[in-house]
Amino acid sequence: TQLLEQSPQFLSIQEGENLTVYCNSSSVFSSLQWYRQEPGEGPVLLVTVVTGGEVKKLKRLTFQFGDARKDSSLHITAAQPGDTGLYLCAGAARNAGNMLTFGGGTRLMVKP
Amino acid sequence: NAGVTQTPKFQVLKTGQSMTLQCAQDMNHNSMYWYRQDPGMGLRLIYYSASEGTTDKGEVPNGYNVSRLNKREFSLRLESAAPSQTSVYFCASSEIGYDNEQFFGPGTRLTVL
Repeated sequence: TQLLEQSPQFLSIQEGENLTVYCNSSSVFSSLQWYRQEPGEGPVLLVTVVTGGEVKKLKRLTFQFGDARKDSSLHITAAQPGDTGLYLCAGAARNAGNMLTFGGGTRLMVKP
Repeated sequence: NAGVTQTPKFQVLKTGQSMTLQCAQDMNHNSMYWYRQDPGMGLRLIYYSASEGTTDKGEVPNGYNVSRLNKREFSLRLESAAPSQTSVYFCASSEIGYDNEQFFGPGTRLTVL
């Protein structure tokens, strides 16, 4: 069974602060995705990283895939209230039919 | 395009009652999924359908059945609901060959009393 652990589980910060969310596993993934989920809605894909060491930027969000493809991080610069939500990482492994394994999520609240 | 739609949005059942959750997608995706989401546990796969005409068990299939009615529709049935099935249920779809990037519906919030 492949497990993905996210940390922290909860994060409450002030507008303008920076933060990093971590997603760790002992398993290797062929790709890793980050989703954001707002209350009452389904998760929405933010980014997919596929190469070890890859870094992708989406405006103020920076995503990194670990060199060994076992971990990933999401860094938000100058957080805004609109960033509030549940952030989920999900790994796909080809030896598991590319099914996604989801982390437990990080609930972020950005206060104005 | 509506993307992935789910009905109903909310449902309250009594223990032992049955119901079917409906899901439809208009993106012409081959694969469809049913997940449940419980606090602190992320999303857990119940059943999936890699293509029309096939269904397979996921991580937590007990107490559920599914039907892939056609390429667009994938339903989830609870034959005899139990309080442990209180959860939020999400349907998703994806296309083969895109790292399984999934598109989710808005969810059904189910309470079993």
